[in-house]
Amino acid sequence: GIQVEQSPPDLILQEGANSTLRCNFSDSVNNLQWFHQNPWGQLINLFYIPSGTKQNGRLSATTVATERYSLLYISSSQTTDSGVYFCASRSNDYKLSFGAGTTVTVRA
Amino acid sequence: GAVVSQHPSRVICKSGTSVKIECRSLDFQATTMFWYRQFPKKSLMLMATSNEGSKATYEQGVEKDKFLINHASLTLSTLTVTSAHPEDSSFYICSAATSGGALETQYFGPGTRLLVL
Repeated sequence: GIQVEQSPPDLILQEGANSTLRCNFSDSVNNLQWFHQNPWGQLINLFYIPSGTKQNGRLSATTVATERYSLLYISSSQTTDSGVYFCASRSNDYKLSFGAGTTVTVRA
Repeated sequence: GAVVSQHPSRVICKSGTSVKIECRSLDFQATTMFWYRQFPKKSLMLMATSNEGSKATYEQGVEKDKFLINHASLTLSTLTVTSAHPEDSSFYICSAATSGGALETQYFGPGTRLLVL
């Protein structure tokens, strides 16, 4: 299956800081999604982004499909941004392969 | 829209008993539901794909007789952990997708924490 690698594994931010999370994938994908898992375990869809750039408030994502990577940008981070960020690729059979995640801790 | 619920949110059971977890799509019909397992500080591992009205497709290494999946309607899938053992303790998450849009987005339930004593 498709291998998904995320970096960094852990990130500690001061409130207000900006950061970039990276996701590399091993093969062509039909879809690339970013999720945020909050401290209670709920997964929230952030972006469905097979290519190009999208923005939603303080978050934005860019996927360069030809180079097999995607980036998630967090600007002006807040404590509520804490949690684990996962990227996942979707193959032809619609299954999602998740990366190991980046654990983000935003300190006040 | 696109809300998925799970019940129970947390369950503690004795070793040897069976536990049923429900996954419901509240405001849309889900032709396909997925069941994942997540260990502490680990990623999500797909266990099986559940299609309404047909048998579930299990991932390699997942015991189908251990983890019984039923997708009886377009809004409900259940996962039953049979004869549970302490090693089955984990966080179980379901997701639901519609057939439209080539299953572009899976919507995830809040998860169920299972502790087997």
